[in-house]
Amino acid sequence: EVQLLESGGGLIQPGETLRLSCAGSGFTFADYAMSWVRQAPGKGLEWVAVISGSGAGTYYADSVKGRFTVSRDNSKDTLYLQMNVLSTDDTAVYYCARCPVLEFGAEFDYWGQGTLVTV
Amino acid sequence: QSVLTQPPSLSGAPGRRVTISCTGSNSNIGANYKVHWYQQLPGTAPRLLIYGNTNRPSGVPDRFSGSKSGTSASLAITGLQAEDEADYYCQSYDSSLSGWVFGGGTKLTVL
Repeated sequence: EVQLLESGGGLIQPGETLRLSCAGSGFTFADYAMSWVRQAPGKGLEWVAVISGSGAGTYYADSVKGRFTVSRDNSKDTLYLQMNVLSTDDTAVYYCARCPVLEFGAEFDYWGQGTLVTV
Repeated sequence: QSVLTQPPSLSGAPGRRVTISCTGSNSNIGANYKVHWYQQLPGTAPRLLIYGNTNRPSGVPDRFSGSKSGTSASLAITGLQAEDEADYYCQSYDSSLSGWVFGGGTKLTVL
């Protein structure tokens, strides 16, 4: 069974940094691109970043480019999101999600339960 | 403001059919990028409902179907049930923004 488990969320002050983690299980982690998607309280979904299976390719939404860094450690089956210079606009539930194929606009077929970041 | 436009809310009686629209432009849906749909029940993570415009993942009832034409896509739900009450989101890719994009979401109420 595919499982994604996020951690690292919490209450943080504006301008500070935070790192989120997402542990994958039930599939060969390195074979899949992975993404972060966030949802502000009472709002819709917003794509944040995606990383290829090898980690060589990364893509970011304009709203986080230059502040957030997505990375992965395939030896630990774990995805990360380093978030710097956080602002109140970054307050959201952050979901990690799996991409079955790395193509522009690919779907997200499995999602974690999310971790709340409050700035 | 999302580049994919969905009606904010819709409602339907049990057993009826509803259609949720997702209107884009020539830089996303009209550029032949695929459209996917997600269902988000209250307090839960999104769930993939339709992928590649028309395909259902295993476990998704055939009451749910997707279609795409030109710069728009639609999600149809037939035989509406109380458990279908949720938020629904379309998703694609936008070449002008160089990123994945979601519609603003549609809150479906089952009367």
